[in-house]
Amino acid sequence: KNEVEQSPQNLTAQEGEFITINCSYSVGISALHWLQQHPGGGIVSLFMLSSGKKKHGRLIATINIQEKHSSLHITASHPRDSAVYICAVRSYNTDKLIFGTGTRLQVFP
Amino acid sequence: EPEVTQTPSHQVTQMGQEVILRCVPISNHLYFYWYRQILGQKVEFLVSFYNNEISEKSEIFDDQFSVERPDGSNFTLKIRSTKLEDSAMYFCASTKGVGAKDYGYTFGSGTRLTVV
Repeated sequence: KNEVEQSPQNLTAQEGEFITINCSYSVGISALHWLQQHPGGGIVSLFMLSSGKKKHGRLIATINIQEKHSSLHITASHPRDSAVYICAVRSYNTDKLIFGTGTRLQVFP
Repeated sequence: EPEVTQTPSHQVTQMGQEVILRCVPISNHLYFYWYRQILGQKVEFLVSFYNNEISEKSEIFDDQFSVERPDGSNFTLKIRSTKLEDSAMYFCASTKGVGAKDYGYTFGSGTRLTVV
């Protein structure tokens, strides 16, 4: 069983739609990261969370530590948001990240 | 915005050859990592490096792999005798700190290694 599970695996949306990507994890964590991977392959860090909620522009990330669950929301989605969104966690007593399989988002005009 | 720089961006090598992938982490970062992503799969941890030594490594990181920080700025991953299954995108990452206070990770743009 994967320690980090994401849903959905694939997501298509029309421009302007509200997007939610979910992440569940099975290990105790120190921090959870949301990352974005573009078709060229590069990975960009979006958020790091250990509790609560963070917002950056049209992106919002929330985490519920008790339920071991996090969500990434995109408001007013745009075609340039098309990418793979990856959830990754750092568990206690380690400095490595454990990655989810990613959610491929396509936003159409 | 400081960047993690990886070179080359793409390398093609014959099976059995040695390859060295290079990374220049952000200058004030203390923890360095190599991850890999086989095409269509998730990103996997290879090795972490702190204070000039390996702090953790995965099962993938066998005797064919080694890491070095030869000059205080470059961070290299060497694969001694490449196999077809080593074909993947290799990412270098660095962070200022982990533990009591977490910092974000910065990833390089990756080296696509193709073993033929």
